Amino acid sequence: NAGVTQTPKFQVLKTGQSMTLQCAQDMNHEYMSWYRQDPGMGLRLIHYSVGAGITDQGEVPNGYNVSRSTTEDFPLRLLSAAPSQTSVYFCASSYAEGREQFFGPGTRLTVL
Amino acid sequence: EDQVTQSPEALRLQEGESSSLNCSYTVSGLRGLFWYRQDPGKGPEFLFTLYSAGEEKEKERLKATLTKKESFLHITAPKPEDSATYLCAVQTGNTGKLIFGQGTTLQVKP
Repeated sequence: NAGVTQTPKFQVLKTGQSMTLQCAQDMNHEYMSWYRQDPGMGLRLIHYSVGAGITDQGEVPNGYNVSRSTTEDFPLRLLSAAPSQTSVYFCASSYAEGREQFFGPGTRLTVL
Repeated sequence: EDQVTQSPEALRLQEGESSSLNCSYTVSGLRGLFWYRQDPGKGPEFLFTLYSAGEEKEKERLKATLTKKESFLHITAPKPEDSATYLCAVQTGNTGKLIFGQGTTLQVKP
């Protein structure tokens, strides 16, 4: 099992550009989530999904979109990148909401 | 407001010097408390889940305990490879979502 994979590992964007961060898991987990990690702020939940076709907002959803068309994939879209979105992004999955989460290796995003 | 606070922010230990990390929380209805380890440049790695006050779990040199207001991660006779950031997260009763603390960065010197 590859576990949770994320691409790309690093990305630099200009303000106003859009992009999609990819996340996939091969553990047949129903629950998937996106977090951002900033120095001194801890991990903050952006969006999450409890199953294919179902998504909901987390603590900091503004500027991000998600969709869940399959159990395996949960992409995160930045609509119009802003410098405030410079961060490290982690995707995670778990068997169910409330169970231990398995994290991907992260994507380090810089918005200039 | 639901809140999770970890202390200290940073901890330096000599190899073999035991200590404890603290995670205090104020949440409306605790459903579970999670401990993760994070190495630089990597994603968090799951360590423990605790569900009720009085519960304890152990793994090698680590032992996690839970009370109604806080959790401790005890590190016994640490080794340099235990150096990492340790994250605490709480799942609240209202939303089921995880709230993370800011982490404690542990450095163990040989």
